[in-house]
Amino acid sequence: NAGVTQTPKFQVLKTGQSMTLQCAQDMNHNSMYWYRQDPGMGLRLIYYSASEGTTDKGEVPNGYNVSRLNKREFSLRLESAAPSQTSVYFCASTGSSSYNSPLHFGNGTRLTVT
Amino acid sequence: GESVGLHLPTLSVQEGDNSIINCAYSNSASDYFIWYKQESGKGPQFIIDIRSNMDKRQGQRVTVLLNKTVKHLSLQIAATQPGDSAVYFCAENSGSGAGSYQLTFGKGTKLSVIP
Repeated sequence: NAGVTQTPKFQVLKTGQSMTLQCAQDMNHNSMYWYRQDPGMGLRLIYYSASEGTTDKGEVPNGYNVSRLNKREFSLRLESAAPSQTSVYFCASTGSSSYNSPLHFGNGTRLTVT
Repeated sequence: GESVGLHLPTLSVQEGDNSIINCAYSNSASDYFIWYKQESGKGPQFIIDIRSNMDKRQGQRVTVLLNKTVKHLSLQIAATQPGDSAVYFCAENSGSGAGSYQLTFGKGTKLSVIP
């Protein structure tokens, strides 16, 4: 039982390049989330998917797109990377967004945009 | 705007002593709170949660206290161990309405345990 798995663990991009961050969970959770973590800023929500087939913007969605591929997988895409997107990206999941339950996080993707 | 913050950014504790990490929240409508532990290079790990209809909840070596009157949350760690060294985050559910669930995170407190 791996929980939440993120790939890749590290990535370096040049400005303007694109990439997709992958996330998969094996806990049969309905809701999945993407956060970014920057020094002094805490965790900020980029996008989330309350259930398979739905996605919604979070606090900082600009420059990102997401796809809920199936119940297990939720990907985050940067179409044209910018230095401001240098950050650590965390994927998380929870059983349901309809009642309070803790988020379970992956170990992150460390992205540097030069 | 609403925010979740922490009183102390760093805390150093002697091994074996108790630790207390504090958190202030400003959204009086928040009904669910969580404490996370984050070790270097890893994702946040769930420690304990509490709903707003409670004022205290205990886990293994940890206790969370909620004071809604002053909008204050604390995490107490008993007999602190070197493995407790990490950054601790509080989070509140700032979503509103059925089906709305969004956690707002504080910026974190770094706990250092002195052997």
